[in-house]
Amino acid sequence: QVQLVESGGGLVKPGGSLRLSCAASGFTFSDYYMSWIRQAPGKGLEWLSYISSSTVYTNYADSVKGRFTISRDNAKNSVYLQINSLRAEDTAVYYCARGGNYLLSWGQGTLVTVSS
Amino acid sequence: EIVLTQSPGTLSLSPGERATLSCRASQSVSSSYLAWYQQKPGQPPRLLIYGASSRATGIPDRFSGSGSGTDFTLIISRLEPEDFAVYYCQQYGSSPYTFGQGTKLEIK
Repeated sequence: QVQLVESGGGLVKPGGSLRLSCAASGFTFSDYYMSWIRQAPGKGLEWLSYISSSTVYTNYADSVKGRFTISRDNAKNSVYLQINSLRAEDTAVYYCARGGNYLLSWGQGTLVTVSS
Repeated sequence: EIVLTQSPGTLSLSPGERATLSCRASQSVSSSYLAWYQQKPGQPPRLLIYGASSRATGIPDRFSGSGSGTDFTLIISRLEPEDFAVYYCQQYGSSPYTFGQGTKLEIK
């Protein structure tokens, strides 16, 4: 079955950086666009970014453009999100998802907390 | 950016009743590129509907989606106890992709 497992979250100070990872299994990873979405505590969903199956195309929400970078390694069945210059408002659960438009399946998420 | 407004914010119904959830877009959603998700506490969202009206794999037929342009609807024909959750719509016809703020479906 499809599995997506995020890791790399944690407590980070404002201005810091993190690299989130998402390990995929149960499907042909290299066939699919992959996306990242976040959800602040008690709030709704915010789409962040997608990357095409071959890494040629990426797209970002304006709120994270220039600070976040999505990448993938098809040999490792993994997608990544590099997040820099973190702010308090970046505190959220970060989900990776299969798909680049509608999101077919989601991981359980990894919590990023930005606080001094 | 397309803003999606969901209504009502909270819907209180009983099992067996019919639920009607609305998602209205600030601009036309191209090609009906609209999806619906269900999220239960402590869980990630689950895709229910894509393309405004196509059910995702494994989704019961009591869930149906309709609409085009700026007005979309999710209907749950007969509520089961496991259907009480938060529902989000998402448009993917125009970047940046956006979600509605959610409708909480609670047991009356």
